[in-house]
Amino acid sequence: DTEVTQTPKHLVMGMTNKKSLKCEQHMGHRAMYWYKQKAKKPPELMFVYSYEKLSINESVPSRFSPECPNSSLLNLHLHALQPEDSALYLCASSQGVGRRTEAFFGQGTRLTVV
Amino acid sequence: ILNVEQSPQSLHVQEGDSTNFTCSFPSSNFYALHWYRWETAKSPEALFVMTLNGDEKKKGRISATLNTKEGYSYLYIKGSQPEDSATYLCAFSNTGKLIFGQGTTLQVKP
Repeated sequence: DTEVTQTPKHLVMGMTNKKSLKCEQHMGHRAMYWYKQKAKKPPELMFVYSYEKLSINESVPSRFSPECPNSSLLNLHLHALQPEDSALYLCASSQGVGRRTEAFFGQGTRLTVV
Repeated sequence: ILNVEQSPQSLHVQEGDSTNFTCSFPSSNFYALHWYRWETAKSPEALFVMTLNGDEKKKGRISATLNTKEGYSYLYIKGSQPEDSATYLCAFSNTGKLIFGQGTTLQVKP
């Protein structure tokens, strides 16, 4: 199984809603990532978890709250988002955070904030 | 701010043409250079991870070269096929982070 599964595929939420994005992998990878991609821009790193601990937070606003309940799961909790947060959110995993490690990506969640 | 630039932004070729694109990245503090292929409605898929200056890697009709001293990598596709149509992303690896370029979108016409 070389898949990273993200749910939901699409999400529309209001600015006062609370929702969560989920990501799952069963490759035994110990590093997991959240990326955000806006149209015609490169994916931008948001968070890195290594061995279930948050190791990198790229100064992401607190309305995005990551959680890694175990080595296979990564969540992104969303609260009080703004319309400019509408984007494709990609999850990825890798064996570790070493330099030769390739990342495996999910298909992404297309988020629209109304 | 670390910048990864890809050119061209988009490319239209005929089936059977060979093509290549460029990725430019910072030449200092180099760790690795990744190439990904991203088809519409699918996940980005890793093509190559390159770490050594002068590295050349090949997968079928696709190959890549790396020059870490001058900070560039080339991706080549020989005899393009319609199924090669995708966005090709390069990413510079720096201490656990992948910093992506904007991608080159390739359209191969039958």
